[in-house]
Amino acid sequence: DTGVSQNPRHKITKRGQNVTFRCDPISEHNRLYWYRQTLGQGPEFLTYFQNEAQLEKSRLLSDRFSAERPKGSFSTLEIQRTEQGDSAMYLCASSATAQGGNTGELFFGEGSRLTVL
Amino acid sequence: TQLLEQSPQFLSIQEGENLTVYCNSSSVFSSLQWYRQEPGEGPVLLVTVVTGGEVKKLKRLTFQFGDARKDSSLHITAAQPGDTGLYLCGRGSTLGRLYFGRGTQLTVWP
Repeated sequence: DTGVSQNPRHKITKRGQNVTFRCDPISEHNRLYWYRQTLGQGPEFLTYFQNEAQLEKSRLLSDRFSAERPKGSFSTLEIQRTEQGDSAMYLCASSATAQGGNTGELFFGEGSRLTVL
Repeated sequence: TQLLEQSPQFLSIQEGENLTVYCNSSSVFSSLQWYRQEPGEGPVLLVTVVTGGEVKKLKRLTFQFGDARKDSSLHITAAQPGDTGLYLCGRGSTLGRLYFGRGTQLTVWP
């Protein structure tokens, strides 16, 4: 397996447009995570899936953000009516379930960088 | 919202010096992970700690989990320029989520 893959790597868009990012996790991993990261800060949790079920979505996330993982494999993150404050790196990670249901090691993709003009 | 406090936020030292960074929370961790992130890349796992009082070593890096499982520290001995990066602690849970702190940006000068 080649690891977690994200595309596009870079996206420049105008305010008000919709954007969609795709994440292909490591094939045997049942958990998939989305994070947002701005320069010099730690990744901010957005949402995560176990198989196809979205188990948690951050309360800080507006209704303009939606994520899907329809077949429990790849995932998409859509941002509608983008705003300049959405400019950030969007990171995807996948993991297997650790013992006792605990969080396993997260393997990250290289991220999708969004710039909203 | 960051549920974890990491300190210091920035650390700039000379090669060969020792350093310690900290991760604290007001509540008990189910598990805690430390990651390092280099510019333009995603974070990479260094270690996972689960048991209170646990100490793990990874070459020049020593990780300690507090007895009460509310805090952790990362100590680097004889830092090298290759240690430069953003050090992140992540709070795990039995539900699978992982929340990160803001991180400590370490720069090691030759």
